[in-house]
Amino acid sequence: QVQLQESGPGLVKPSETLSLTCTVSGGSVSSYFWSWIRQPAGKGLEWIGRIQPSGATDYNPSLKSRVSMSVDRSKNQFSLNVKSVTAADTAVYFCAISSDWRFDPWGQGTLVTVSS
Amino acid sequence: QSALTQPASVSGSPGQSITISCTGTSSDVGGYNYVSWYQQHPGKAPKLLIYDVSNRPSGVSNRFSGSKSGNTASLTISGLQAEDEADYYCSSHTSSFTRVFGGGTKVTVL
Repeated sequence: QVQLQESGPGLVKPSETLSLTCTVSGGSVSSYFWSWIRQPAGKGLEWIGRIQPSGATDYNPSLKSRVSMSVDRSKNQFSLNVKSVTAADTAVYFCAISSDWRFDPWGQGTLVTVSS
Repeated sequence: QSALTQPASVSGSPGQSITISCTGTSSDVGGYNYVSWYQQHPGKAPKLLIYDVSNRPSGVSNRFSGSKSGNTASLTISGLQAEDEADYYCSSHTSSFTRVFGGGTKVTVL
């Protein structure tokens, strides 16, 4: 069974770049589509984007200008970068498999706070 | 893209049935049979309950069921139990090859 684990800095300064990694165990990063989803405290889920095994990406139009994703097959990981962050980017960030039009399973999530 | 519309809260007594709606447009919910539903308990990651409008993954109780009519999808929880108290989110594929979530519904078991 595939398991996912997010990792990265818990604190990022405004205007800097937020970088997170999702490590895949029990499966290959080359076998699935992968999404990043975030959730501000007390608020709903927001889909950030998706990356295919080929490296092709789809992004939420509201974040597209600031977001990039990549896959590292040698480490069985995929990554998220969000540049020029503000306090509005403070959230719990989840990674998830997003093949077959659904998100399953999910990582446990990691809190990222944007603050100076 | 705009979030799908869900009621902020729904409540019911143990044993009752409740239904949560998820309204979108013909460019998302109404255009594709790719609606999924998620249950999220506080401090936890969301869990897949329903996919492709009405399919349950193995291990999910048959008390959860999904349907769709036009631009509105629905999740029904029958035989409501205390453990069902959680937040519920719908999600849909869109015509732009993106994904969109609903705003979430808090279910309270009275």
